[in-house]
Amino acid sequence: GAVVSQHPSWVICKSGTSVKIECRSLDFQATTMFWYRQFPKQSLMLMATSNEGSKATYEQGVEKDKFLINHASLTLSTLTVTSAHPEDSSFYICSPSRAGTRAAFFGQGTRLTVV
Amino acid sequence: GESVGLHLPTLSVQEGDNSIINCAYSNSASDYFIWYKQESGKGPQFIIDIRSNMDKRQGQRVTVLLNKTVKHLSLQIAATQPGDSAVYFCAENGQGAQKLVFGQGTRLTINP
Repeated sequence: GAVVSQHPSWVICKSGTSVKIECRSLDFQATTMFWYRQFPKQSLMLMATSNEGSKATYEQGVEKDKFLINHASLTLSTLTVTSAHPEDSSFYICSPSRAGTRAAFFGQGTRLTVV
Repeated sequence: GESVGLHLPTLSVQEGDNSIINCAYSNSASDYFIWYKQESGKGPQFIIDIRSNMDKRQGQRVTVLLNKTVKHLSLQIAATQPGDSAVYFCAENGQGAQKLVFGQGTRLTINP
């Protein structure tokens, strides 16, 4: 497997504020990072894909100016939810991809609650 | 394509029985499949994978079966234990594509 650390595990913020979620690959270099969102009782939905040092590619319907992704190093990527609203409340999960393998490993997830 | 579920199908089994969780996929170009286990409040945990050139693969207490003709995938868990309670997702990956597409998931509950 792979060791992935995602932080924080949960966060509550006020509407209109921004929240940053960090994802670290601790024992491998993540050339690609996937960010997913999961609403209650639903499956994982891919939000965006980022390659180290490049701009992220966002899935249809995901606002790139609202969900800012930084993947400046091979071991760290961040997702910032800007001007959060209650409808952004969800479970956010990162998945760093290791070169040469197709198996995906996931962070522990971050429960975001916007009040 | 992408799968979005409004509710999770549930499978209830007796402790000690075998569990079979099914998944249908739609992309005939998918050539790699993974089963994940997700416990409440946690990220998905890799269980087992299979490539399209195989129709069966076994792990510890788990077996994955792939039927490409009908685009069907199943996960069999032998001697189900209380710790197996979770939501199970299948995921597919097409040749050359890095991203995974997830199925809707199945909640497995264990009856004592």
